[in-house]
Amino acid sequence: KAGVTQTPRYLIKTRGQQVTLSCSPISGHRSVSWYQQTPGQGLQFLFEYFSETQRNKGNFPGRFSGRQFSNSRSEMNVSTLELGDSALYLCASSPRDYLSSYNEQFFGPGTRLTVL
Amino acid sequence: KQEVTQIPAALSVPEGENLVLNCSFTDSAIYNLQWFRQDPGKGLTSLLLIQSSQREQTSGRLNASLDKSSGRSTLYIAASQPGDSATYLCAVNNYGQNFVFGPGTRLSVLP
Repeated sequence: KAGVTQTPRYLIKTRGQQVTLSCSPISGHRSVSWYQQTPGQGLQFLFEYFSETQRNKGNFPGRFSGRQFSNSRSEMNVSTLELGDSALYLCASSPRDYLSSYNEQFFGPGTRLTVL
Repeated sequence: KQEVTQIPAALSVPEGENLVLNCSFTDSAIYNLQWFRQDPGKGLTSLLLIQSSQREQTSGRLNASLDKSSGRSTLYIAASQPGDSATYLCAVNNYGQNFVFGPGTRLSVLP
């Protein structure tokens, strides 16, 4: 099975611009979660989508948004970029079904976003 | 609010040593605990998952144990190798909730 893929792998933007990142989960996984990783804050949860519905949301401003398509692929969007948004953005997929407590995450390689 | 800590923050050992990494969490009502490794600038690689009904999991030279009542997990690495050098992260989740990650332990195995 192919792993989680993320595109693009690297991105350079300037303040005020917006950006869209894409994540394709492992085939059959319906849950996709997004995380932001920075040296100062570590790994922080952004949001999770399951079957096209947002299930959980972290403590990030409304500039951060996401969506999930019927094929489980997910996108996240950051509008009005700030310098502090520079980070590694990681996507994880899970075979969880919300019918049991089982939840195991598999991560993609990440998108390195640099805001100038 | 779930909080996860990991001790030590960094560890340097000679090749061949057995070592233990520690993970602590404040809310013991977890359903899953997962250990990952991360190489610099890369994504996370899943190592082991322990569900709440389990006490330990093993994969090759790795063994992870879980003690929910004390809010602790340990990752044991046997016969360490230079290729084990990476940051090791633990993450826990409560039912229906997202995973909460610890800050990681940066491991260096010297040849």
